[in-house]
Amino acid sequence: NAGVTQTPKFQVLKTGQSMTLQCAQDMNHNSMYWYRQDPGMGLRLIYYSASEGTTDKGEVPNGYNVSRLNKREFSLRLESAAPSQTSVYFCASSEAFAGFNEKLFFGSGTQLSVL
Amino acid sequence: KQEVTQIPAALSVPEGENLVLNCSFTDSAIYNLQWFRQDPGKGLTSLLLIQSSQREQTSGRLNASLDKSSGRSTLYIAASQPGDSATYLCAVLSNTGKLIFGQGTTLQVKP
Repeated sequence: NAGVTQTPKFQVLKTGQSMTLQCAQDMNHNSMYWYRQDPGMGLRLIYYSASEGTTDKGEVPNGYNVSRLNKREFSLRLESAAPSQTSVYFCASSEAFAGFNEKLFFGSGTQLSVL
Repeated sequence: KQEVTQIPAALSVPEGENLVLNCSFTDSAIYNLQWFRQDPGKGLTSLLLIQSSQREQTSGRLNASLDKSSGRSTLYIAASQPGDSATYLCAVLSNTGKLIFGQGTTLQVKP
């Protein structure tokens, strides 16, 4: 019963380093999302993939890139990390995009610190 | 632009009390509203989803209501237990297909 799996759980980077956050879901969902959660800001959408082969910008896409590798996997890349990207990152998935009855299922998060 | 607000930011109640968490949103053109629970250091778990055409949803001791015209939703928790302690977030699915989250209410239920 894995659901949405994110790796790594914790990461510390130096300014300018790059890294990729991995996300995989085993529920055969079509849509996947990346959010960041910051104190006092709530969850904000970074990028999403409504279906395999498509990706779109969310509310705060600057400094990030994504790849929908296949139906199961959706990765988030930081090309040149900045301290402003210190946050907790969540991957989520849903059976379809923007449906009236679509629940989101979340991974357990990646805590990223950029020094 | 859709904005979602949750008040209060934190709430502490004794065990057994019935309580209400509030969520308000500025644009009534929504597809649905969801309530989530987040435990410290964990991801979000979906509790209830109310479609735009519905007025309420119930699951066990939880009841969520939706009043689109006034831009409000409430999450009612009956007979609260220490295990209910967590942060509760509401989110609205806007007509742009984006899920907009409130900042959450952190609930502490004291034994």
